[in-house]
Amino acid sequence: NAGVMQNPRHLVRRRGQEARLRCSPMKGHSHVYWYRQLPEEGLKFMVYLQKENIIDESGMPKERFSAEFPKEGPSILRIQQVVRGDSAAYFCASSPVGEGGKNTEAFFGQGTRLTVV
Amino acid sequence: AQSVAQPEDQVNVAEGNPLTVKCTYSVSGNPYLFWYVQYPNRGLQFLLKYITGDNLVKGSYGFEAEFNKSQTSFHLKKPSALVSDSALYFCAVRDRGSTLGRLYFGRGTQLTVWP
Repeated sequence: NAGVMQNPRHLVRRRGQEARLRCSPMKGHSHVYWYRQLPEEGLKFMVYLQKENIIDESGMPKERFSAEFPKEGPSILRIQQVVRGDSAAYFCASSPVGEGGKNTEAFFGQGTRLTVV
Repeated sequence: AQSVAQPEDQVNVAEGNPLTVKCTYSVSGNPYLFWYVQYPNRGLQFLLKYITGDNLVKGSYGFEAEFNKSQTSFHLKKPSALVSDSALYFCAVRDRGSTLGRLYFGRGTQLTVWP
């Protein structure tokens, strides 16, 4: 059973370009969370998605950031017109389906390290 | 508001000595509590969790944590540290009463075990 897969592992973008980060959850998991880790800070929640639905986007910046989790394929975190302050590690986590999943641990991918130059 | 505090940015211990990494939390109601470890340029690996029951929870790699409801703490411990335990440790909480599964993380504690 493959773990949470994120790609690319490293991404370099120039200011103003778009960044697309992909996350494939563990098999059987339909809940996906995105977190951002800034240097010397803990992980900050960004968005929670289920298949074809955004459940909680309270941690997403209001502009330039969007996320989706289509019926088929990976979850995508999209950052438009990147700025240097977007440089960070972006982690995806998945959990099992259902209310009972609340007491289970989230499984994290290895992250995408975005550098904006 | 939910919050997690890890009061020490760094903890340094000698190999073979016991280690403690501290965590306190502020959550409405009773939380689910977790510890994760992050090695350089890697993702987070799950160590252990407290859901209910015995306040002393045992996890991976010989780690354990003690839930103290009155002090709202969930300190991570290990009786005998190894050099390979050197990593960044995160405490996290999840609101038991919420239908959303988001985790709230502390800032992390860098553990260094020297030989």
